[in-house]
Amino acid sequence: DGGITQSPKYLFRKEGQNVTLSCEQNLNHDAMYWYRQDPGQGLRLIYYSQIVNDFQKGDIAEGYSVSREKKESFPLTVTSAQKNPTAFYLCASSTPPGQGNTEAFFGQGTRLTVV
Amino acid sequence: DAKTTQPPSMDCAEGRAANLPCNHSTISGNEYVYWYRQIHSQGPQYIIHGLKNNETNEMASLIITEDRKSSTLILPHATLRDTAVYYCIVRVAWGAGGTSYGKLTFGQGTILTVHP
Repeated sequence: DGGITQSPKYLFRKEGQNVTLSCEQNLNHDAMYWYRQDPGQGLRLIYYSQIVNDFQKGDIAEGYSVSREKKESFPLTVTSAQKNPTAFYLCASSTPPGQGNTEAFFGQGTRLTVV
Repeated sequence: DAKTTQPPSMDCAEGRAANLPCNHSTISGNEYVYWYRQIHSQGPQYIIHGLKNNETNEMASLIITEDRKSSTLILPHATLRDTAVYYCIVRVAWGAGGTSYGKLTFGQGTILTVHP
Protein backbone atom coordinates (compact mmCIF):
# COMPACT_ATOMS: atom_id res chain seq x y z
CA ASP A 1 0.00 0.00 0.00
CA GLY A 2 1.22 3.49 -0.76
CA GLY A 3 1.64 5.86 2.10
CA ILE A 4 3.81 8.04 4.24
CA THR A 5 5.63 6.63 7.23
CA GLN A 6 7.11 8.44 10.20
CA SER A 7 9.30 6.76 12.73
CA PRO A 8 9.52 6.37 15.58
CA LYS A 9 6.07 7.16 17.00
CA TYR A 10 7.53 8.22 20.35
CA LEU A 11 11.03 9.58 20.91
CA PHE A 12 12.79 10.67 24.06
CA ARG A 13 16.03 12.61 24.11
CA LYS A 14 18.16 14.42 26.61
CA GLU A 15 18.42 18.16 26.42
CA GLY A 16 21.32 19.31 24.25
CA GLN A 17 21.27 16.32 21.93
CA ASN A 18 20.45 16.50 18.26
CA VAL A 19 17.77 14.09 17.09
CA THR A 20 16.65 13.09 13.59
CA LEU A 21 13.05 12.22 12.75
CA SER A 22 12.42 9.96 9.78
CA CYS A 23 9.82 10.50 7.05
CA GLU A 24 9.50 8.16 4.08
CA GLN A 25 6.88 8.10 1.32
CA ASN A 26 6.24 5.71 -1.57
CA LEU A 27 3.60 7.84 -3.26
CA ASN A 28 6.02 9.26 -5.83
CA HIS A 29 5.25 12.73 -4.55
CA ASP A 30 7.63 15.56 -5.32
CA ALA A 31 6.66 17.85 -2.43
CA MET A 32 7.24 17.04 1.24
CA TYR A 33 6.59 19.04 4.39
CA TRP A 34 7.41 19.09 8.10
CA TYR A 35 5.08 20.58 10.68
CA ARG A 36 5.20 21.07 14.41
CA GLN A 37 2.13 20.95 16.61
CA ASP A 38 2.00 22.00 20.25
CA PRO A 39 -0.87 21.04 22.59
CA GLY A 40 -4.11 22.76 21.63
CA GLN A 41 -2.48 24.52 18.71
CA GLY A 42 -2.63 24.27 14.94
CA LEU A 43 0.09 23.03 12.60
CA ARG A 44 3.07 25.27 12.01
CA LEU A 45 5.26 24.78 8.95
CA ILE A 46 8.95 24.11 9.67
CA TYR A 47 10.43 23.25 6.28
CA TYR A 48 9.16 22.12 2.92
CA SER A 49 10.69 20.69 -0.21
CA GLN A 50 9.27 20.84 -3.70
CA ILE A 51 11.88 18.66 -5.38
CA VAL A 52 14.95 16.58 -4.61
CA ASN A 53 17.99 18.57 -3.43
CA ASP A 54 15.89 21.66 -2.78
CA PHE A 55 14.03 22.88 0.30
CA GLN A 56 12.71 26.13 1.79
CA LYS A 57 12.22 27.42 5.29
CA GLY A 58 8.73 27.55 6.64
CA ASP A 59 7.47 29.81 9.41
CA ILE A 60 9.48 28.32 12.31
CA ALA A 61 12.70 26.91 10.81
CA GLU A 62 15.10 28.12 13.51
CA GLY A 63 16.72 25.23 15.35
CA TYR A 64 15.82 22.69 12.68
CA SER A 65 17.55 21.31 9.60
CA VAL A 66 16.47 19.05 6.76
CA SER A 67 17.87 17.27 3.73
CA ARG A 68 16.26 15.95 0.57
CA GLU A 69 18.74 13.63 -1.08
CA LYS A 70 16.09 11.20 -2.27
CA LYS A 71 12.56 11.76 -3.50
CA GLU A 72 11.21 9.28 -0.97
CA SER A 73 12.87 10.68 2.13
CA PHE A 74 12.80 14.00 3.99
CA PRO A 75 14.44 13.64 7.42
CA LEU A 76 14.17 16.41 9.99
CA THR A 77 16.93 17.09 12.52
CA VAL A 78 15.98 18.87 15.71
CA THR A 79 19.17 20.53 16.85
CA SER A 80 20.26 21.63 20.29
CA ALA A 81 19.59 25.19 19.15
CA GLN A 82 15.84 24.56 19.22
CA LYS A 83 14.79 26.01 22.57
CA ASN A 84 11.51 24.15 22.99
CA PRO A 85 11.80 20.92 21.02
CA THR A 86 9.17 18.91 22.87
CA ALA A 87 6.23 18.69 20.44
CA PHE A 88 4.28 16.53 18.02
CA TYR A 89 5.95 16.47 14.59
CA LEU A 90 4.04 15.71 11.41
CA CYS A 91 5.37 14.97 7.95
CA ALA A 92 3.31 15.29 4.77
CA SER A 93 3.74 14.83 1.04
CA SER A 94 1.82 15.92 -2.03
CA THR A 95 2.13 16.48 -5.74
CA PRO A 96 3.13 20.06 -6.56
CA PRO A 97 0.53 22.44 -7.94
CA GLY A 98 -0.20 21.91 -11.60
CA GLN A 99 0.15 18.14 -11.45
CA GLY A 100 -3.35 16.96 -10.74
CA ASN A 101 -4.90 16.54 -7.34
CA THR A 102 -2.66 18.22 -4.81
CA GLU A 103 -4.15 16.81 -1.62
CA ALA A 104 -1.54 16.23 1.04
CA PHE A 105 -1.07 12.90 2.78
CA PHE A 106 0.13 12.97 6.37
CA GLY A 107 2.08 10.52 8.44
CA GLN A 108 0.91 9.54 11.91
CA GLY A 109 3.42 11.79 13.59
CA THR A 110 6.34 11.52 15.99
CA ARG A 111 5.92 12.73 19.53
CA LEU A 112 9.28 14.05 20.69
CA THR A 113 9.95 14.59 24.38
CA VAL A 114 13.16 16.23 25.50
CA VAL A 115 14.06 15.80 29.15
CA ASP B 1 -1.14 31.55 -0.07
CA ALA B 2 -4.22 33.43 1.09
CA LYS B 3 -5.09 33.36 4.78
CA THR B 4 -8.27 31.83 6.13
CA THR B 5 -10.47 32.65 9.12
CA GLN B 6 -12.52 30.03 10.94
CA PRO B 7 -14.53 30.09 14.18
CA PRO B 8 -12.52 28.49 16.99
CA SER B 9 -15.24 26.03 17.98
CA MET B 10 -18.67 24.71 17.05
CA ASP B 11 -21.13 22.20 18.42
CA CYS B 12 -23.45 19.89 16.55
CA ALA B 13 -26.03 17.29 17.59
CA GLU B 14 -25.48 13.75 16.38
CA GLY B 15 -27.43 13.04 13.20
CA ARG B 16 -27.75 16.68 12.28
CA ALA B 17 -25.84 18.51 9.58
CA ALA B 18 -22.66 20.28 10.65
CA ASN B 19 -21.95 23.46 8.69
CA LEU B 20 -18.41 24.76 9.14
CA PRO B 21 -17.71 28.22 7.68
CA CYS B 22 -14.43 29.59 6.37
CA ASN B 23 -13.55 33.08 5.17
CA HIS B 24 -10.82 33.51 2.56
CA SER B 25 -11.44 37.01 1.29
CA THR B 26 -7.96 37.40 -0.26
CA ILE B 27 -8.11 34.20 -2.29
CA SER B 28 -6.52 34.38 -5.73
CA GLY B 29 -7.90 33.03 -8.94
CA ASN B 30 -5.43 30.16 -8.99
CA GLU B 31 -6.04 28.98 -5.42
CA TYR B 32 -8.14 26.00 -4.42
CA VAL B 33 -9.97 25.66 -1.11
CA TYR B 34 -9.00 22.50 0.80
CA TRP B 35 -10.49 21.01 3.94
CA TYR B 36 -8.72 18.64 6.32
CA ARG B 37 -9.60 17.31 9.71
CA GLN B 38 -7.47 16.08 12.57
CA ILE B 39 -8.63 13.66 15.19
CA HIS B 40 -6.70 13.87 18.42
CA SER B 41 -3.04 12.83 18.15
CA GLN B 42 -3.32 11.69 14.53
CA GLY B 43 -2.15 13.16 11.25
CA PRO B 44 -4.66 15.38 9.40
CA GLN B 45 -6.96 13.65 6.94
CA TYR B 46 -7.99 15.12 3.60
CA ILE B 47 -11.73 15.71 3.24
CA ILE B 48 -12.48 17.64 0.08
CA HIS B 49 -11.33 20.50 -2.11
CA GLY B 50 -12.73 22.80 -4.78
CA LEU B 51 -12.02 25.80 -6.98
CA LYS B 52 -15.33 27.53 -7.63
CA ASN B 53 -18.00 24.90 -8.12
CA ASN B 54 -19.69 23.10 -5.27
CA GLU B 55 -18.22 19.67 -4.63
CA THR B 56 -19.51 16.53 -2.95
CA ASN B 57 -17.86 13.26 -2.03
CA GLU B 58 -18.61 10.40 0.33
CA MET B 59 -17.45 12.40 3.33
CA ALA B 60 -18.80 15.90 2.85
CA SER B 61 -20.00 18.70 0.62
CA LEU B 62 -18.19 21.94 -0.09
CA ILE B 63 -20.13 25.07 -0.92
CA ILE B 64 -18.08 27.99 -2.30
CA THR B 65 -19.68 31.40 -2.70
CA GLU B 66 -19.81 32.93 -6.14
CA ASP B 67 -17.18 35.54 -5.28
CA ARG B 68 -15.05 32.73 -3.74
CA LYS B 69 -14.41 34.77 -0.61
CA SER B 70 -15.94 32.19 1.69
CA SER B 71 -16.91 28.55 1.79
CA THR B 72 -18.82 26.09 3.96
CA LEU B 73 -17.99 22.48 4.67
CA ILE B 74 -21.10 20.40 5.27
CA LEU B 75 -21.12 17.08 7.08
CA PRO B 76 -24.67 15.97 6.26
CA HIS B 77 -25.25 13.59 9.17
CA ALA B 78 -22.67 14.19 11.85
CA THR B 79 -21.63 11.30 14.07
CA LEU B 80 -19.63 11.23 17.28
CA ARG B 81 -16.61 10.11 15.25
CA ASP B 82 -16.71 13.41 13.36
CA THR B 83 -15.54 15.22 16.49
CA ALA B 84 -12.22 16.71 15.37
CA VAL B 85 -10.39 19.89 14.44
CA TYR B 86 -11.33 21.01 10.93
CA TYR B 87 -8.87 23.06 8.90
CA CYS B 88 -9.70 25.19 5.88
CA ILE B 89 -6.71 26.15 3.76
CA VAL B 90 -6.19 27.71 0.36
CA ARG B 91 -3.44 26.61 -1.90
CA VAL B 92 -2.10 27.46 -5.31
CA ALA B 93 -3.50 25.01 -7.84
CA TRP B 94 -0.91 25.56 -10.52
CA GLY B 95 2.54 26.99 -10.73
CA ALA B 96 2.71 30.65 -9.84
CA GLY B 97 6.42 30.96 -9.23
CA GLY B 98 8.02 32.60 -6.24
CA THR B 99 8.85 31.11 -2.89
CA SER B 100 5.21 30.40 -2.02
CA TYR B 101 5.02 27.77 -4.72
CA GLY B 102 4.09 24.50 -3.04
CA LYS B 103 3.73 25.99 0.44
CA LEU B 104 0.93 24.43 2.48
CA THR B 105 -0.08 26.54 5.47
CA PHE B 106 -2.61 25.61 8.16
CA GLY B 107 -4.48 28.03 10.42
CA GLN B 108 -5.94 27.30 13.86
CA GLY B 109 -8.96 25.42 12.58
CA THR B 110 -12.40 24.85 14.11
CA ILE B 111 -12.91 22.38 16.93
CA LEU B 112 -16.14 20.57 16.07
CA THR B 113 -17.77 18.71 18.93
CA VAL B 114 -20.59 16.35 18.04
CA HIS B 115 -22.72 15.48 21.05
CA PRO B 116 -25.38 12.79 21.54
